[in-house]
Amino acid sequence: DTGVSQDPRHKITKRGQNVTFRCDPISEHNRLYWYRQTLGQGPEFLTYFQNEAQLEKSRLLSDRFSAERPKGSFSTLEIQRTEQGDSAMYLCASSSSGVSGELFFGEGSRLTVL
Amino acid sequence: AQSVTQLDSQVPVFEEAPVELRCNYSSSVSVYLFWYVQYPNQGLQLLLKYLSGSTLVKGINGFEAEFNKSQTSFHLRKPSVHISDTAEYFCAGDSGGYQKVTFGTGTKLQVIP
Repeated sequence: DTGVSQDPRHKITKRGQNVTFRCDPISEHNRLYWYRQTLGQGPEFLTYFQNEAQLEKSRLLSDRFSAERPKGSFSTLEIQRTEQGDSAMYLCASSSSGVSGELFFGEGSRLTVL
Repeated sequence: AQSVTQLDSQVPVFEEAPVELRCNYSSSVSVYLFWYVQYPNQGLQLLLKYLSGSTLVKGINGFEAEFNKSQTSFHLRKPSVHISDTAEYFCAGDSGGYQKVTFGTGTKLQVIP
């Protein structure tokens, strides 16, 4: 399967701990996105990479959040000092240039902060 | 900024009946509109998209949507639903540029046997 993969699928952590999620996009896609989805809401944009460059970060992405895409391939999203409000599904999507809006999503990483 | 509004959070419908899921958008610039579907325990996948041209857009699984500029709507329709259509449907918009897609809050379609 050559779709977008995310790891881990589920993470339960205690408040104050750090967590890291990984996303492997479709190999030929140069654009990568992180979204967050909470219960009853649609996905909310967090950040966007074109190749290795992080071109936009949402105001939702506080200083405790950091995302990287070091070689323009996989990406990581780290949350430091987790809070209960960080509990959500973190979605990764990728796309190729020039095809507006056709995002390919992974199955998501569900975070539960106790 | 682009925004989309889905008016119904849940829509129950009997199997083989028609369905319409409503979506309204707001944008002061050119607009691209999409419907994504999320089946239980699966990732979102693109159902159909409107970029330009014909206002009636056909997607996968027999769904279609009509772009209506005067009413700023992009409603999703299917003439006869199946049990397998039970899922959450998200309307989304992109005001152009680098594909920063904005999603609505979703409509859960529950098909009743």
